[in-house]
Amino acid sequence: GDSVTQMEGPVTLSEEAFLTINCTYTATGYPSLFWYVQYPGEGLQLLLKATKADDKGSNKGFEATYRKETTSFHLEKGSVQVSDSAVYFCALVPDLSNFGNEKLTFGTGTRLTIIP
Amino acid sequence: AAGVIQSPRHLIKEKRETATLKCYPIPRHDTVYWYQQGPGQDPQFLISFYEKMQSDKGSIPDRFSAQQFSDYHSELNMSSLELGDSALYFCASSYFQVFANYGYTFGSGTRLTVV
Repeated sequence: GDSVTQMEGPVTLSEEAFLTINCTYTATGYPSLFWYVQYPGEGLQLLLKATKADDKGSNKGFEATYRKETTSFHLEKGSVQVSDSAVYFCALVPDLSNFGNEKLTFGTGTRLTIIP
Repeated sequence: AAGVIQSPRHLIKEKRETATLKCYPIPRHDTVYWYQQGPGQDPQFLISFYEKMQSDKGSIPDRFSAQQFSDYHSELNMSSLELGDSALYFCASSYFQVFANYGYTFGSGTRLTVV
């Protein structure tokens, strides 16, 4: 079945450091890929997404590129801030041409802590 | 902008009791999804509805049931509660025809504690 493998945490970085959180996936067809962020005590917020190969999603300085050849969707940010401290989930939705199959499959989440 | 509204935000129940969680999707969204997130876990898909019909089912216990009503709000009913049901329950909504562009919007969740 479909699955998402995510870089295990926790990850601790200093402010202004470069961030990479690895995410790879297994899926048939052409999945859509997402990064969600969960701040302490809050719900899941969509951070960015990509729906086809070579698409780059970006938001709030974060970027991720849909790489079909390596089945990856790594999250990057050039200079992290204390306010980026949260749990980050990589997720996929299977091929959207298969109606009724839009449920998200999540990775295990990566807890990111940024220290001043 | 209107978001997905979940109620209650927090709920404490005793073992073997019943709980009802409510979800009000974004206006015009026709699809609702329920997820369960245990402590330190990733969210697990429970069930989804499209146009008031169940569209998919995940790892939802038989003790749980859900439905989507004519106004598109959804309720998750949980009976014979167990300690292991303590979790954050998320509802998400989407508009199927533009899902590819906009994806889901999640509510803030209901934190259920079973004691």
